Amino acid sequence: EVQLVESGGGLVQPGGSLRLSCTASGFTVGDDYMTWVRQAPGKGLEWVSLIYSGDTTYYADSVKGRFTISRDNSKNTLYLQMNSLRPDDTAVYYCARDRDAFDVWGQGTMVTVSS
Amino acid sequence: DIQMTQSPSTLSASVGDRVTITCRASQNIWSWLAWYQQKPGKAPNLLIHKASTLKSGVPSRFSGSGSGTEFTLTINSLQPDDFATYYCQQYNGHSPAYTFGQGTKLEI
Repeated sequence: EVQLVESGGGLVQPGGSLRLSCTASGFTVGDDYMTWVRQAPGKGLEWVSLIYSGDTTYYADSVKGRFTISRDNSKNTLYLQMNSLRPDDTAVYYCARDRDAFDVWGQGTMVTVSS
Repeated sequence: DIQMTQSPSTLSASVGDRVTITCRASQNIWSWLAWYQQKPGKAPNLLIHKASTLKSGVPSRFSGSGSGTEFTLTINSLQPDDFATYYCQQYNGHSPAYTFGQGTKLEI
């Protein structure tokens, strides 16, 4: 079964860091484009970052310079390193497979940035 | 950046109705448009990609149309399970910055 499972969310103070993980089963993350999308409480969806199969990366302007997307093919896992976190980064973070639109999603992990 | 504008923001309908949601792009995105359904507390679920291609397993009462800057999602014969929030998304192959519409809440 094709599946994505996120982990690593939690409560962090402003200015802090957090690393999210997204472990895949049923396919290989290294062979696909992979992406992160977030959703602030009660709000819509916001694309965050993308990594191509060739490791080229892209970021939304709102996170550029603070977030880093990467993957470990040996663990079949996608990551999102989040630094200099701000209260407006508070959201549910989803990873997804990008295969002509986002066809497989994880269940999401909540990140709360608050003092 | 490409902006996506969905309308309406909220749509009230009844079981058995036919409804249409519109999505407009700020520039030409050809057919690089997807539609997602999201239920409370759940991840989004892809319904349609390339503007009109139904994802495998999605009921045929869902359909998408349009190209360029104007797109529509139509749901025929609404079922109780269809009441959810719907998002359009552009994924223009020439721009890696994907954009979602603000969402349309379909309520009973």
